[in-house]
Amino acid sequence: DSGVTQTPKHLITATGQRVTLRCSPRSGDLSVYWYQQSLDQGLQFLIQYYNGEERAKGNILERFSAQQFPDLHSELNLSSLELGDSALYFCASSVRGTGGTGELFFGEGSRLTVL
Amino acid sequence: DAKTTQPPSMDCAEGRAANLPCNHSTISGNEYVYWYRQIHSQGPQYIIHGLKNNETNEMASLIITEDRKSSTLILPHATLRDTAVYYCIVRVSDSWGKLQFGAGTQVVVTP
Repeated sequence: DSGVTQTPKHLITATGQRVTLRCSPRSGDLSVYWYQQSLDQGLQFLIQYYNGEERAKGNILERFSAQQFPDLHSELNLSSLELGDSALYFCASSVRGTGGTGELFFGEGSRLTVL
Repeated sequence: DAKTTQPPSMDCAEGRAANLPCNHSTISGNEYVYWYRQIHSQGPQYIIHGLKNNETNEMASLIITEDRKSSTLILPHATLRDTAVYYCIVRVSDSWGKLQFGAGTQVVVTP
């Protein structure tokens, strides 16, 4: 158990819909990262937040947005869903925004299926 | 961050040492080598990292060549539970967080 909690574990929805994925980082971790893993793309970095502020951005679509709240939990919002958005979405956390030694702790992921 | 090259797959017999190579010929002086693994559809798990000295922890050993252009992750006594995709990643420690995962090496440990 990494200490990072993600909900829901599984989600099935239809094209055009909007979903929200939630992540609670390890206690004391200030930084949260979101990754997408689809069958043909591997693990893709989406976005990072540190203590409520966006710090780094990857290949995140404009239909996706994220935020980190004062209690440090984070939400990833996916809208106007397409079939290609079906993937595993991982959240990770680390103590510092720099990642310190680079050790990220990953949650077990949220599996999104868009039909 | 420097790019890494890993073999796509390798097999290992249970109980034997697994030696996973990684090439990172464009690594810079301030870039660390990290290893993570991902057991089927689970979240990636940190294994070990190093700068230039060899490192060992309870999971594995990391051997970095003197010119730092390649490294080897050693799982000393592979078990079936070590079957996973292993990622070698190079990054600057003080850069803003993100790790870029490549395709990794699919390691299958067989009885």
